[in-house]
Amino acid sequence: EVQLVESGGGLVQPGGSLRLSCAASGFTFSNYWMTWVRQAPGKGLEWVANIKQDGSEKYYVDSVKGRFTISRDNAKNSLYLQMNSLRAEDTAVYYCARGRGSYSLDYWGQGTLVTVSS
Amino acid sequence: QSALTQPPSASGSPGQSVTISCTGTSSDVGGYNYVSWYQQHPGKAPKLMIYEVSKRPSGVPDRFSGSKSGNTASLTVSGLQAEDEADYYCSSYAGSNIPYVFGTGTKVTVL
Repeated sequence: EVQLVESGGGLVQPGGSLRLSCAASGFTFSNYWMTWVRQAPGKGLEWVANIKQDGSEKYYVDSVKGRFTISRDNAKNSLYLQMNSLRAEDTAVYYCARGRGSYSLDYWGQGTLVTVSS
Repeated sequence: QSALTQPPSASGSPGQSVTISCTGTSSDVGGYNYVSWYQQHPGKAPKLMIYEVSKRPSGVPDRFSGSKSGNTASLTVSGLQAEDEADYYCSSYAGSNIPYVFGTGTKVTVL
């Protein structure tokens, strides 16, 4: 059974940092693009970043470029999102998701809440 | 890159059909056959319902169908059931630098 389990969310002050993790199991992690998607409270979904199977390609939404870094450790079946210089508008539930191919996301974690507030 | 446009709400009685539109541009929906649809129940993670415009993942009922014409994609839910009440989001590829553009979301209510 495919499972994605996020962790690392919490309350952080503006300008602070957090590192999110996503532990994958039930599939060959190194064979898939992986993606972070966020959802602000009461709002819609927003793609944040994605990373190729070997980590050689990474893409980010404009609003997080230069502040967030996506990475992966295929030996640990883990996906990460390092978030620096956090802003109030980064407050959201962050989901990790598996890229199915054809630019769709077929498995999602349960999400981890990041709250940026003083 | 702007979000794709969906109606805020749609509704139907049990057994009826409801269709949700997703309007983009020639740079996203109209330019590629990479439109997906996701169902999200309150407090839950999204679930993939349709990919590549009209294909259903294993386990998704055939009551769910997708189509596309020009810059607008559509999701139709036939034979509405109570459990179909949820938020629905479309998504489209918009180029390698923007692999996923999501729609604004539609809340489907089963009357």
